[in-house]
Amino acid sequence: DVKVTQSSRYLVKRTGEKVFLECVQDMDHENMFWYRQDPGLGLRLIYFSYDVKMKEKGDIPEGYSVSREKKERFSLILESASTNQTSMYLCASSLLHQPQHFGDGTRLSIL
Amino acid sequence: EDQVTQSPEALRLQEGESSSLNCSYTVSGLRGLFWYRQDPGKGPEFLFTLYSAGEEKEKERLKATLTKKESFLHITAPKPEDSATYLCAVQLNRDDKIIFGKGTRLHILP
Repeated sequence: DVKVTQSSRYLVKRTGEKVFLECVQDMDHENMFWYRQDPGLGLRLIYFSYDVKMKEKGDIPEGYSVSREKKERFSLILESASTNQTSMYLCASSLLHQPQHFGDGTRLSIL
Repeated sequence: EDQVTQSPEALRLQEGESSSLNCSYTVSGLRGLFWYRQDPGKGPEFLFTLYSAGEEKEKERLKATLTKKESFLHITAPKPEDSATYLCAVQLNRDDKIIFGKGTRLHILP
């Protein structure tokens, strides 16, 4: 079975802090994705990566950056956290042209 | 603009009462359509992939079908454990991004 592991289920941070969300997949997938999920807005794509050291902006990249130094690991960085970044963050991975498989998410609160 | 719309937003059924969830899409070039199940506080769990009109997939009480403009998720004789949010998503043939619908919250009453 595909396993996508997100480092934290719950996280509380302060405004202005730099926040790191980590995601690891164990199935040698080329593609990795970061989404945020908010009530009424659904899943929105923040960043994605098709290969190591490669990244592409999604639909809402402002205020975020990513890092993919190894194939299995994709990190989301909130450069200076703000309250409007309070959300559920979901990481996913996939093979080329295949369905995405998701982790269980990190519920992030910015105070 | 590429778009995925799911209806209804929420559905309450009695145990054993069959029904269907709808996913309509307008996209420029469909590679595949996916259905996911999401339980509260969890990530979406992959259920089905459909690639071409007329295709059907089944898993236990769920059956997914696809036409050129929409997909249906049929739920036959549901049980309370089928309660969840069901998400539809389309993958475009120009890249591997997925466009998600906002989901249907399904609640099965015992």
